[in-house]
Amino acid sequence: GAVVSQHPSRVICKSGTSVKIECRSLDFQATTMFWYRQFPKQSLMLMATSNEGSKATYEQGVEKDKFLINHASLTLSTLTVTSAHPEDSSFYICSARDQGVGYTFGSGTRLTVV
Amino acid sequence: QQPVQSPQAVILREGEDAVINCSSSKALYSVHWYRQKHGEAPVFLMILLKGGEQKGHEKISASFNEKKQQSSLYLTASQLSYSGTYFCGTERAGGYQKVTFGIGTKLQVIP
Repeated sequence: GAVVSQHPSRVICKSGTSVKIECRSLDFQATTMFWYRQFPKQSLMLMATSNEGSKATYEQGVEKDKFLINHASLTLSTLTVTSAHPEDSSFYICSARDQGVGYTFGSGTRLTVV
Repeated sequence: QQPVQSPQAVILREGEDAVINCSSSKALYSVHWYRQKHGEAPVFLMILLKGGEQKGHEKISASFNEKKQQSSLYLTASQLSYSGTYFCGTERAGGYQKVTFGIGTKLQVIP
């Protein structure tokens, strides 16, 4: 089945620094990937749609200058949280879809900003 | 627009059945169901496409009523491993594959 690899799984960073999260589709090509954020005991909230070779599409209320998305190849999308603050601490998950089946999620990245 | 899921939580004894409902006010292309264990990413269970189909996955099945924009997930003879939070995700027609998730239903199966 489709596999999506996400790294790192956990990261702790200092306030004001930037963190990059990688999402790779291992056995299929993904022209579109999705980035979600999940706060404790809450649902997955879509942040943005990452499109290979073009600009990402951000959901309303998501700062595109803060959450930089790059989808440089058919198997890799990255999310960079710039100038991170404690309120950015969350569980970030990417997902991709292989040929019309359901979405495969990465294992998630737990970001803690101190 | 976020689909509405119910119930928000349910506790079952092993072997009991449960139904989780998901509804949307918008015309849907598909409904997805996922299960998430604590601290882990969601895992895909099944997808139901426009057409009112019903699908099954071991003792877990689901239906999709296209006219009512409703889907139900049926868990029969529940096992301890079924515990987790179940999310429905809805994909609107022309929604560019974007899936919006419900608030989730926390299911706990006890011995």
